[in-house]
Formats: sequence, C-alpha cells, structure tokens
Amino acid sequence: NAGVTQTPKFQVLKTGQSMTLQCAQDMNHEYMSWYRQDPGMGLRLIHYSVGAGITDQGEVPNGYNVSRSTTEDFPLRLLSAAPSQTSVYFCASLDTNYGYTFGSGTRLTVV
Amino acid sequence: RKEVEQDPGPFNVPEGATVAFNCTYSNSASQSFFWYRQDCRKEPKLLMSVYSSGNEDGRFTAQLNRASQYISLLIRDSKLSDSATYLCGLVRGYIPTFGRGTSLIVHP
Repeated sequence: NAGVTQTPKFQVLKTGQSMTLQCAQDMNHEYMSWYRQDPGMGLRLIHYSVGAGITDQGEVPNGYNVSRSTTEDFPLRLLSAAPSQTSVYFCASLDTNYGYTFGSGTRLTVV
Repeated sequence: RKEVEQDPGPFNVPEGATVAFNCTYSNSASQSFFWYRQDCRKEPKLLMSVYSSGNEDGRFTAQLNRASQYISLLIRDSKLSDSATYLCGLVRGYIPTFGRGTSLIVHP
C-alpha cells in the first residue's frame, strides 16, 4: 500500500545505546518530518527535510540526527539513548494540498 | 504563546449531539490548515483540509477565519465512533505545527 512505512513498531533500548528508526514513503513527496509525541505535549517536531540532501532542525532536535540521501527515505538516529527519549515517534510526509501522511509510529522505551 | 492552541477537553457529549472545536494560531503567515483525527495508540490521520470558504464532508464542517486566526471543526449527529482526539495542523513554508489535540468522548 502507498504511504509512509516506519520500522520498527516497538523497541526497547538501554541507556547509551544507539539505534536508527527507519522511514520510507512511496508518494514522491519532497517534504518529510519526524515527530515525537508524549502525553500532554502533542506532536513535537524533531527534524524535517525539504528534499534529498536538505535537512533542518525542529523544536526538539537534541540527541537525534537525520539524513536524506534519497527522496524516499528519512531515517532518524538516536545517538546515545536516554530515558527522556522514551516516546512514540512518528514520521510523516507532506502533500501541500492534502496535508501530512503519518507512519504508524514507533514506540520506544529507554531503560 | 504557543503557535497553535487547542482546548484539550475532554468534550463529553451524547450520541446525536453537535460539537464544535476551535484552534487558534498566532502566525498570520500560516498557509495551509488541516484537521486530523487520532485514535488511541494510533497515528494521526487526515480528516479534512480547511479553507476560508469552508468545507463540508458529511457530518463534518471545517472553517478558517484568517481575520481572527482560528480554524473550527463542527461535528453534527455525533456517533460513538467519533470518539477520538482531534488535532489541528498548519503548514507555514512547509514547516508543520500541530495543536496538542482536543479529546472527544461520545457516550450512549
């Protein structure tokens, strides 16, 4: 099915470990974003990209890296996981007329 | 002031009721506006885009008021299945911002 695919769906990390959350879209959208969602905080923008090779920081970028080598893929890297990064992570891609399409999310727990 | 503000609710309404949510925004340069629905432990899904002329999709009506900088969502004849969190979203220069969401609970 067309859309945004995120993997993994669930992950448990130990403090200090690193990992990459994968995101791929097949809609040829230029604009992609990563959010984290915490109870009572809504969706907070971590990083975004306006096209291959172009990324920028959002509201809460610390502790995360991104790259955009292709239009399709926008992985999010946690450099050294901390308990404060326990959250639900959503990747999304934008059609300017129809808004953002979200992936199904990754539930991350850092212990 | 947050860029996008929503009343978190919850709005607790009986089946068949009409309920309305507002979402205010602070940046007048915002270009596109949307309403999303998010079910518990799921991703947000686009409900409808919002235009100044207003748009309607079945029981749902969305409106944009640029002068007062708010968007609204009206749900008529509420169903139990409408229970969810409703997020407003706006895009400014391709940078998206979302409200924290309004919780709706429709009870029998």
